[in-house]
Amino acid sequence: QKEVEQNSGPLSVPEGAIASLNCTYSDRVSQSFFWYRQYSGKSPELIMSIYSNGDKEDGRFTAQLNKASQYVSLLIRDSQPSDSATYLCAVNGGSQGNLIFGKGTKLSVKP
Amino acid sequence: GAVVSQHPSRVICKSGTSVKIECRSLDFQATTMFWYRQFPKQSLMLMATSNEGSKATYEQGVEKDKFLINHASLTLSTLTVTSAHPEDSSFYICSVEVAGKSDTQYFGPGTRLTVL
Repeated sequence: QKEVEQNSGPLSVPEGAIASLNCTYSDRVSQSFFWYRQYSGKSPELIMSIYSNGDKEDGRFTAQLNKASQYVSLLIRDSQPSDSATYLCAVNGGSQGNLIFGKGTKLSVKP
Repeated sequence: GAVVSQHPSRVICKSGTSVKIECRSLDFQATTMFWYRQFPKQSLMLMATSNEGSKATYEQGVEKDKFLINHASLTLSTLTVTSAHPEDSSFYICSVEVAGKSDTQYFGPGTRLTVL
């Protein structure tokens, strides 16, 4: 069964620090990788997508992909209290072309 | 990103009633929509894949006769929870897949269902 693994946390970082969120996946043929942010009681919001090995930067966010290691990460620079949320890693590979989600990592940014 | 709406945002109903949830893609046509359920403090669980003009594909363990899905147009999919019971109380979220954007999904705001 295809799986996406994340550390559930909570991951606590001080304001202004770099938060590093990690994700591993089991399906070697996966091609599309996503990070979603979900605030408590809200639905997930797409932050980043990445398809090629290496880094992809968007503002304070950097996604990193290593297909050989089946590893994808999200770095959040200059973390803000408003970044406190659960971050979901998602990988394509479902039988219906759907995404497979990890259980999420809860991030807490302390002022 | 895509704009996805859901209606209602919150519903409270008595046990045994049926509840219909609408998912609309407001700014593009969606041939594929997905329905998820999320219990408190748990991860997203895919319930079914909704394809326009054809029958939905349900994940293992999801009763298709209890969770009726209709994807009658390229902008609307509905999920009907039939004969709802308290254990069906959950956060139901739809997402749409954007054609040509490599599996990217955008989520609706979700519907919180409480069955008394």
